[in-house]
Amino acid sequence: EAQVTQNPRYLITVTGKKLTVTCSQNMNHEYMSWYRQDPGLGLRQIYYSMNVEVTDKGDVPEGYKVSRKEKRNFPLILESPSPNQTSLYFCASTPWGANVLTFGAGSRLTVL
Amino acid sequence: TQLLEQSPQFLSIQEGENLTVYCNSSSVFSSLQWYRQEPGEGPVLLVTVVTGGEVKKLKRLTFQFGDARKDSSLHITAAQPGDTGLYLCAGPNSNNQGGKLIFGQGTELSVKP
Repeated sequence: EAQVTQNPRYLITVTGKKLTVTCSQNMNHEYMSWYRQDPGLGLRQIYYSMNVEVTDKGDVPEGYKVSRKEKRNFPLILESPSPNQTSLYFCASTPWGANVLTFGAGSRLTVL
Repeated sequence: TQLLEQSPQFLSIQEGENLTVYCNSSSVFSSLQWYRQEPGEGPVLLVTVVTGGEVKKLKRLTFQFGDARKDSSLHITAAQPGDTGLYLCAGPNSNNQGGKLIFGQGTELSVKP
């Protein structure tokens, strides 16, 4: 089944404790992206990647890092999480130029 | 900066009622998409409208793209509890950065039996 898989689905952590949210897609898509979703603000793009080793900032990149060493994987790294990063995070992918996103099921992160 | 404004933000109706959700912008979009997101899941694409004035139907859902390609609407006829969810409109960034989409804030729909 074609899908985007995120882990963990739920995480409660404390301020400053580094964490990684993994994202993997099995559709051979070039483009992958991370969004955060907050009430009243919709989906805001954090980082995106157009292919292996090609990443760029989205609209709200502060406090996040990403890497794209393999086409299928696009992990989101929070080096020193803070409470304002408490949010619902989505990874998504699409073939280059298609503009139709396939989303993962989401990762709900709480930073205390 | 391209923005998409959705209205209303919240909608609570009884089963059987009709409703319309609006997605507006001051910018022209090459296409607009509608997604539905259910609790605990990611958004799932419902439809893409591409041509100004286009109307697409998906069972009880009717989607329209404005003639000027600056707005879109989603109309649900005889809503059912299964229609409950967050509805999002989205359009491609004008710089056409591969797959970058701009999203509206969403419309939270609750259909009560």
